[in-house]
Amino acid sequence: DTAVSQTPKYLVTQMGNDKSIKCEQNLGHDTMYWYKQDSKKFLKIMFSYNNKELIINETVPNRFSPKSPDKAHLNLHINSLELGDSAVYFCASSQWLQASIYNEQFFGPGTRLTVL
Amino acid sequence: AQSVSQHNHHVILSEAASLELGCNYSYGGTVNLFWYVQYPGQHLQLLLKYFSGDPLVKGIKGFEAEFIKSKFSFNLRKPSVQWSDTAEYFCAVNGGNTDKLIFGTGTRLQVFP
Repeated sequence: DTAVSQTPKYLVTQMGNDKSIKCEQNLGHDTMYWYKQDSKKFLKIMFSYNNKELIINETVPNRFSPKSPDKAHLNLHINSLELGDSAVYFCASSQWLQASIYNEQFFGPGTRLTVL
Repeated sequence: AQSVSQHNHHVILSEAASLELGCNYSYGGTVNLFWYVQYPGQHLQLLLKYFSGDPLVKGIKGFEAEFIKSKFSFNLRKPSVQWSDTAEYFCAVNGGNTDKLIFGTGTRLQVFP
């Protein structure tokens, strides 16, 4: 009964390829996020979606395209992969109640992407 | 813009030693503060959080943190660490009418038996 799950756990691919990472949450939350953790463990938000609507887009290259088919899923598609995309990508979710009221985020296990 | 600083990048302790990890943030308004832990090869887990009320918050596994508004700090403490506390610790802040969580650069804690 994993709360936030991601697939795959590991992804090794060549430069220039297109790949997708999937995220699902069974917590009933309506806000989901993607974070990138680089080799120095620095975590930075990339996107957030609330009820399938894009809320945050942190100047991420447009090769990265999040897609939310429903509020329980937020997938990340990456086109033309580059060496610098190698990182661990974490999905997270939270319950958005209303503006100015914040709830903690629950994180998935991460997807380690290696671009060769 | 909000930012979070964790000054200790790597801390090495022996079991039973006391721990204090520093966290300072920059944001002028009301903030929500968090400490997350990432055990080797695992995802982030919430240790504790401060939203309002008592500035001394207790978390899981014997951790606590104190919010000092005048110092813009939210330091993490544990009186006696264990080998199983070896992990990466992240301070995070959320401020204003946004659900954006800003993380510090993390502190790697190694505890030796």
